[in-house]
Amino acid sequence: VVMTQSPLSLPVTLGQPASISCRSSQSLVYSDGNTYLNWFQQRPGQSPRRLIYNVSNRDSGVPDRFSGSGSGTDFTLKISRVEAEDVGIYYCMQSTHWPLTFGGGTKVEIK
Amino acid sequence: QVQLVESGGGVVQPGRSVRLSCAASGFAFSSYGMNWVRQAPGKGLEWVAVISYDGSNRFYGDSVKGRFTISRDNSKNTLYLQMNSLRPEDTALYYCAKSRRDLDYWGQGTLVTVSS
Repeated sequence: VVMTQSPLSLPVTLGQPASISCRSSQSLVYSDGNTYLNWFQQRPGQSPRRLIYNVSNRDSGVPDRFSGSGSGTDFTLKISRVEAEDVGIYYCMQSTHWPLTFGGGTKVEIK
Repeated sequence: QVQLVESGGGVVQPGRSVRLSCAASGFAFSSYGMNWVRQAPGKGLEWVAVISYDGSNRFYGDSVKGRFTISRDNSKNTLYLQMNSLRPEDTALYYCAKSRRDLDYWGQGTLVTVSS
């Protein structure tokens, strides 16, 4: 399954919203009814950290300015008001089908 | 708290082998599938391999199939990646990640550089 993210780069003004798109080459709905689409944040020099699982569920400790939405093959990560600590690369990943596949990443930076 | 600590990386010549380890703590290791994911310098994330909670099922990415072997020792709470016939394109930071589908926790990674 090919995961396609856009944009590649996202310059954002502090306090403004940001939106990242992720599209899959086939449906991510699994036979159990779940959609295994996750979002990860990788800050500079750090390991990836999961933010969102199963499309829209925030991980513990993730600020509520992060939200995930979508269905089928079309998904979105939104940051309602970008803060300086949000700088980094964001990846979507599907775990419905094997092999697991990641999007190419979106670099969020401050204007 | 969940901790995953990778080790075993370094500089290795093409065609040689290396074994990575991932020491797990803070959760019931023997109850969870585990993954290896790698990241080439300046590049994105690439899934490498997964192993089921009891080691009975293993799957590999096409780029490493037949060369890499994932294994685990539940008595030692440790995950392994045996890497054989290494190529320059295997140069990457190798992460272990908890859980078969969720990848909810990641280690800090261990760097493998394949170079003569």
